[in-house]
Amino acid sequence: NAGVTQTPKFRVLKTGQSMTLLCAQDMNHEYMYWYRQDPGMGLRLIHYSVGEGTTAKGEVPDGYNVSRLKKQNFLLGLESAAPSQTSVYFCASTRGRGGTEAFFGQGTRLTVV
Amino acid sequence: SQKIEQNSEALNIQEGKTATLTCNYTNYSPAYLQWYRQDPGRGPVFLLLIRENEKEKRKERLKVTFDTTLKQSLFHITASQPADSATYLCALDPEDTGFQKLVFGTGTRLLVSP
Repeated sequence: NAGVTQTPKFRVLKTGQSMTLLCAQDMNHEYMYWYRQDPGMGLRLIHYSVGEGTTAKGEVPDGYNVSRLKKQNFLLGLESAAPSQTSVYFCASTRGRGGTEAFFGQGTRLTVV
Repeated sequence: SQKIEQNSEALNIQEGKTATLTCNYTNYSPAYLQWYRQDPGRGPVFLLLIRENEKEKRKERLKVTFDTTLKQSLFHITASQPADSATYLCALDPEDTGFQKLVFGTGTRLLVSP
């Protein structure tokens, strides 16, 4: 099983450019999440989805949009990248409710110059 | 304010010793707490989950305790090995809605020397 796969692994953007990060999971998980990880800050939740066609805001949603058109995929979009969005982005998925382990992708390192 | 804190200083220990990592939280009442391992350039990997009604949980050389009175979890690795060197993250779900919107500590880096 591949688990959770993120594409791309690395990307450099210029300020104002847009891009989409793709997350795919093959475990038939209902819930999917996007986090960002910054030095000294820990992982912070950007957006999450509790099922196909649903999305909701997390702790730091500004500047990002998401879509979950298919159960296995969760896309994170940056419409107009800013240097403050330089970070490592992680996608995760969980099977269901009530405290189950989260499976994480390998991360996408994004630099906005 | 709500906080989840882990020692930001790296923990250096010798192979064979027991490593003990601390996770303290403030103004949360989590139903459970999780521990993850993260290697450089990789995503976190789940290790253990402990619920509020459990005092202790074990898995092979790992042990986690959860003290809801002290608002603290301790993570122990016994007979530590150099391969245990990594950053260890604690996480909790502040709302317990089931959607698992985890809040993470910043992690503690463990270095095990041969």
